[in-house]
Amino acid sequence: GQQVMQIPQYQHVQEGEDFTTYCNSSTTLSNIQWYKQRPGGHPVFLIQLVKSGEVKKQKRLTFQFGEAKKNSSLHITATQTTDVGTYFCAGYNTDKLIFGTGTRLQVFP
Amino acid sequence: DAGVIQSPRHEVTEMGQEVTLRCKPISGHNSLFWYRQTMMRGLELLIYFNNNVPIDDSGMPEDRFSAKMPNASFSTLKIQPSEPRDSAVYFCASSLAESSYNEQFFGPGTRLTVL
Repeated sequence: GQQVMQIPQYQHVQEGEDFTTYCNSSTTLSNIQWYKQRPGGHPVFLIQLVKSGEVKKQKRLTFQFGEAKKNSSLHITATQTTDVGTYFCAGYNTDKLIFGTGTRLQVFP
Repeated sequence: DAGVIQSPRHEVTEMGQEVTLRCKPISGHNSLFWYRQTMMRGLELLIYFNNNVPIDDSGMPEDRFSAKMPNASFSTLKIQPSEPRDSAVYFCASSLAESSYNEQFFGPGTRLTVL
């Protein structure tokens, strides 16, 4: 079946450093969504990318969808302690959303 | 809007007991999803409904798990009998599926511990 892998699994950074998580699918995706889950919380939708090569920004967060629509990335510039959490990508396979394995980000002040 | 509501928030039970988890989706949403999250297996889709009809239950681990959606505002996930390996956080999510490409809104989850 379809698999969506994310690397790294964990990332510890000093506040102010940049952070990037990468998402790779075994199949071509119709679109890609990104979610953030704070410790002890539930996944919360961040953004959706649909077009090949699409890039979207939300303040310090930059999301990119690969040209082949099989990979995506999330880059955070100058991390803050509020960025702590697990970031999931999720891609649609026909009518089912498949979540990636997640990247847990820890930010040290 | 109150968002997706789940109950109970925490459940501790003994092996062999029946467990029922409840979910109220966001009003007007027509798709409902049940997920299970563990450290080992991550976030797994168990089953989802469109317009109260189960569409895909291929993620349901085994016959001990069953889910129902009797109306647009209520769904249950039942485990009978429960086992320690069922311990996890169970999330319910809903979306408005005009197309397949809509964000999912998650509830706060039910943390289940089976002793």
